[in-house]
Amino acid sequence: AQRVTQPEKLLSVFKGAPVELKCNYSYSGSPELFWYVQYSRQRLQLLLRHISRESIKGFTADLNKGETSFHLKKPFAQEEDSAMYYCALTNTGFQKLVFGTGTRLLVSP
Amino acid sequence: DTEVTQTPKHLVMGMTNKKSLKCEQHMGHRAMYWYKQKAKKPPELMFVYSYEKLSINESVPSRFSPECPNSSLLNLHLHALQPEDSALYLCASSQGLVASYEQYFGPGTRLTVT
Repeated sequence: AQRVTQPEKLLSVFKGAPVELKCNYSYSGSPELFWYVQYSRQRLQLLLRHISRESIKGFTADLNKGETSFHLKKPFAQEEDSAMYYCALTNTGFQKLVFGTGTRLLVSP
Repeated sequence: DTEVTQTPKHLVMGMTNKKSLKCEQHMGHRAMYWYKQKAKKPPELMFVYSYEKLSINESVPSRFSPECPNSSLLNLHLHALQPEDSALYLCASSQGLVASYEQYFGPGTRLTVT
């Protein structure tokens, strides 16, 4: 069965500190992995996807197939990064997103 | 227009009522989705439409009935709901069903069943 695990419900850091939001997955095939973000009073939106290998708003995520992980990292957190972050996966051929339980990131000044 | 819109924003209905949720997009997307999100939980997929045809039904009870009358519009008809169906209902769309396409989400309709 497909499963996405985000072990931290809440991650609290100070501005300028490094951030790592953990995501582990279980999937029998070769999945596509995504990070979605929801800022306060805004709609859910895509942050980044592993296939594009891009950095968005300073965030990066590397797919580690050996450890079945897709952790989200940012070297220096900003207050505007405070939001709910969801890791999600789908199979390569067909969009059927499965979301993790989410991690709330709180960046304090 | 690069947004997915949903109406109404809030809906309160009794268990014997019939109501509908509406979702609209004008981005030319051919795949549309309904998700259910309970409080403090992640979104859970309910239905997927591709080219106006139902592609996925995630074993959703028949009291939820989706409809895709055209490529821009997606409805969710509600009948004889239970209090546990109270949740935020999210609509999303994407260019197609291929995994690389981004899903664009609407703001949701918050449903309360009394």
